[in-house]
Amino acid sequence: SYELTQPPSVSVSPGQTASITCSGDKLGHKYVCWYQQKPGQSPVLVIYQDNKRPSGIPERFSGSNSGNTATLTISGTQTMDEAEYYCQAWDSSTGVFGGGTKLTVL
Amino acid sequence: EVQLVESGGGLVQPGGSLRLSCAASGFTFNTFWMHWVRQAPGKGLVWVSRINTDGSSTSYADSVKGRFTISRDNAKNTLYLQMNSLRAEDTAVYYCAMGVSERLNRWGQGTLVTVSS
Repeated sequence: SYELTQPPSVSVSPGQTASITCSGDKLGHKYVCWYQQKPGQSPVLVIYQDNKRPSGIPERFSGSNSGNTATLTISGTQTMDEAEYYCQAWDSSTGVFGGGTKLTVL
Repeated sequence: EVQLVESGGGLVQPGGSLRLSCAASGFTFNTFWMHWVRQAPGKGLVWVSRINTDGSSTSYADSVKGRFTISRDNAKNTLYLQMNSLRAEDTAVYYCAMGVSERLNRWGQGTLVTVSS
């Protein structure tokens, strides 16, 4: 079965740039979405189709996808961005999530 | 405003059954694919199932195939997940989500299913 691999944790200082990676076989041939989940809350879509932002998502969130790796980038990271982030793609008709990355802003 | 409200969760014994519901409002329900995603306590998100607009096409994760059935009633704006032969490892918060193309655009607040004797 298809797998997506994320680092368990990433740390960043406020105002700096955070990068969260998501790896999978030929992932660049698929569309990748990213979801943000804060403790006790439901997930929120922050990036779709590799690099598009839904309305209401700040411009500091961006994405890229090439080769075997997709990357979520948060520029000028704020303390409110501290959360778990999940990448997601489709393998045929089956949805696949990465294991999640805990972003700590300190 | 889009709203997705799950219900039907609770405590069930191993081998038992449960039916989850997701009441949708604020959008034209019958024009969107719908999904179920679960999250075990302290763990990550796991996609469970999806259904197309008229219910004629469904997909399942291997871990639930043959045990879970997704369905929808477009007249009632409601999504369902029938869960049979439940196992301890099915214990999770179950979210319904509205699908737009390849993305899960909006999520409900989730309903907790606990499988335990």
